[in-house]
Amino acid sequence: GQQLNQSPQSMFIQEGEDVSMNCTSSSIFNTWLWYKQEPGEGPVLLIALYKAGELTSNGRLTAQFGITRKDSFLNISASIPSDVGIYFCAGRDGNNRLAFGKGNQVVVIP
Amino acid sequence: GAVVSQHPSRVICKSGTSVKIECRSLDFQATTMFWYRQFPKQSLMLMATSNEGSKATYEQGVEKDKFLINHASLTLSTLTVTSAHPEDSSFYICSARTERTRNEQFFGPGTRLTVL
Repeated sequence: GQQLNQSPQSMFIQEGEDVSMNCTSSSIFNTWLWYKQEPGEGPVLLIALYKAGELTSNGRLTAQFGITRKDSFLNISASIPSDVGIYFCAGRDGNNRLAFGKGNQVVVIP
Repeated sequence: GAVVSQHPSRVICKSGTSVKIECRSLDFQATTMFWYRQFPKQSLMLMATSNEGSKATYEQGVEKDKFLINHASLTLSTLTVTSAHPEDSSFYICSARTERTRNEQFFGPGTRLTVL
């Protein structure tokens, strides 16, 4: 299936810092999604984006759907210890199929 | 809303036995359910897509006779790993999709399968 390029693959940040990660693809997507997965759990949907250029916030999280429809970014502001986890981007194509990135492991240092 | 449960959360079995994993959408009817497999530190790999009342569609390389999927109702799908072997050990995650929330997929908590 399609593979999304997600970067960085891991990051260690100080509590209180902002975090930024992005996701790119060679294909166009109709929807971009960001999920968070904690150890031993399934992914939890954080933000869904439906239109090119759309900027959406969910608390301290902000995500944008790129104008080209081939990329998206996620920002976490003022990180806290419970932000630790793996963040996955996902894109949905015209056939309603979901492709996932490889994930970004975030570690927050108190 | 949009809660998906899985049972069991973890299972250990002997090689050669079959294991059934249940996936339920608790507060919505799911037109489509999906089964994924995830290896440590890897992304989710789609195994199959199932629609209620019809046969599942398997991804390339996934053996349908090995991984039996039954989508009995709009709230229940089961995955049976038949004649399990150690290489089948993995984290299996289901998800369900509903038109009620713009067709987004909501994931279950996963099932850790260990085959001895």
